Amino acid sequence: DIVMTQSPDSLAVSLGERATINCKSSQSVLFSSFNKNYIAWYQQKPGQPPKLLIYWASTREPGVPDRFTGSGSGTDFTLTINNLQPEDVTVYYCQQYYDTPYTFGQGTRLEI
Amino acid sequence: QVHLQESGPGRVRPSETLSLKCLVSGYGVSASSYYWAWVRQPPGKGLEWIGSIYYSENSEDSGSTYYSPSLKSRMSISVDASKNQFSMKLTSVTAADTAVYFCARGGTGGMDAWGQGTTVIVSS
Repeated sequence: DIVMTQSPDSLAVSLGERATINCKSSQSVLFSSFNKNYIAWYQQKPGQPPKLLIYWASTREPGVPDRFTGSGSGTDFTLTINNLQPEDVTVYYCQQYYDTPYTFGQGTRLEI
Repeated sequence: QVHLQESGPGRVRPSETLSLKCLVSGYGVSASSYYWAWVRQPPGKGLEWIGSIYYSENSEDSGSTYYSPSLKSRMSISVDASKNQFSMKLTSVTAADTAVYFCARGGTGGMDAWGQGTTVIVSS
């Protein structure tokens, strides 16, 4: 299995500032045929299902605000949230869908 | 717009079989390009991908299933194209299987549509 490790587990943030969440995979998730990293980022609010924010490591899902940015390649990835808004203070997960089982990171909780 | 809705028993006794269904609307489960998945979340914990099925009437690998290794011996996923739904069964459940179970649609762009989730409690 590909192990996904997020850091930090929790992050104290201030509104209007930037939050950075890291995600490391135990092996490369670069699909060389398409030159795409098969990494997705999800946001989950209490009592709700996860919401897809980013796929292919850096492509924003339609409707996702541009303050959310994904970056990275190979085994190291980052989700950056600029100008943090109150509705952004929740839990975020990375996931690799390069190979089954499509494993998730353990999650990162943003806290004020 | 695609919509997914899980349904299930809510409570299952230890050692019994958990059966859940996911009704899909707005998109055909037998259309190509997507797979159909189950993800669970134990109380207060993170997300666990538990399995998926790829189903397409026009594909040679239609019906291909993939399961989490830790659950493979107990899991099965199937599609009922006539009802536009897919299902999962988990046998010999224990308290460790207590979780919110989500169904979702996945593809090369991640899992872009999710059901609201259904809570399953394993208890006698």
